[in-house]
Amino acid sequence: EIVMTQSPATLSVSPGERATLSCRASQSVSSDLAWYQQKPGQAPRLLIYGASTRATGIPARFSGSGSGTEFTLTISSLQSEDFAVYYCQQYHNWWTFGQGTKVEIK
Amino acid sequence: QVQLQESGPGLVKPSGTLSLTCAVSGGSISSSNWWTWVRQPPGKGLEWIGEIYHSGSTNYNPSLKSRVTISVDKSKNQFSLKLSSVTAADTAVYYCASRIAARPYWGQGTLVTVSS
Repeated sequence: EIVMTQSPATLSVSPGERATLSCRASQSVSSDLAWYQQKPGQAPRLLIYGASTRATGIPARFSGSGSGTEFTLTISSLQSEDFAVYYCQQYHNWWTFGQGTKVEIK
Repeated sequence: QVQLQESGPGLVKPSGTLSLTCAVSGGSISSSNWWTWVRQPPGKGLEWIGEIYHSGSTNYNPSLKSRVTISVDKSKNQFSLKLSSVTAADTAVYYCASRIAARPYWGQGTLVTVSS
């Protein structure tokens, strides 16, 4: 099983600031990596797939990078609607998820 | 664009069997994709349950393997999940999903509560 580890667990950021979230895989997942945003009571919303491709309708302030075992989600200028929990997911071998990073208002 | 829709009972009794179906539209379940089930207990993270190919080949999460069966019905373009001997710990939102052309697709999810 590929283990996905996200850091930090909680990120406190002021609106308008940049947020950088990390995700590490226990073995290479190539570029088979997705990022999701989830708000309470809602299904996960796909932000990024293929490590760096934005899903349809996702604002350009969201960007993904990395390959192999190290990945990053960057939110360039946080808006009020961006405060949520973010998950990374590998779909290279079965599916596994990180434990989530909560982005909260500083 | 492929769409996935879960359906099934929202309440299951302890020790019973949870049964859900995922209807696939906008694409064929016989295409070269794995069809997947994921769940999320209230307030917790996401857990992969297992997957099936249209040929019937399956992969299951080792932690659930003894209780899980995933099947496919090509005539109805759908696939199904059965989870036996359920307890309160199986209360969760259950999602069906698939990776299609390097992109994950998800249903909206359905809450299943295990309670007497």
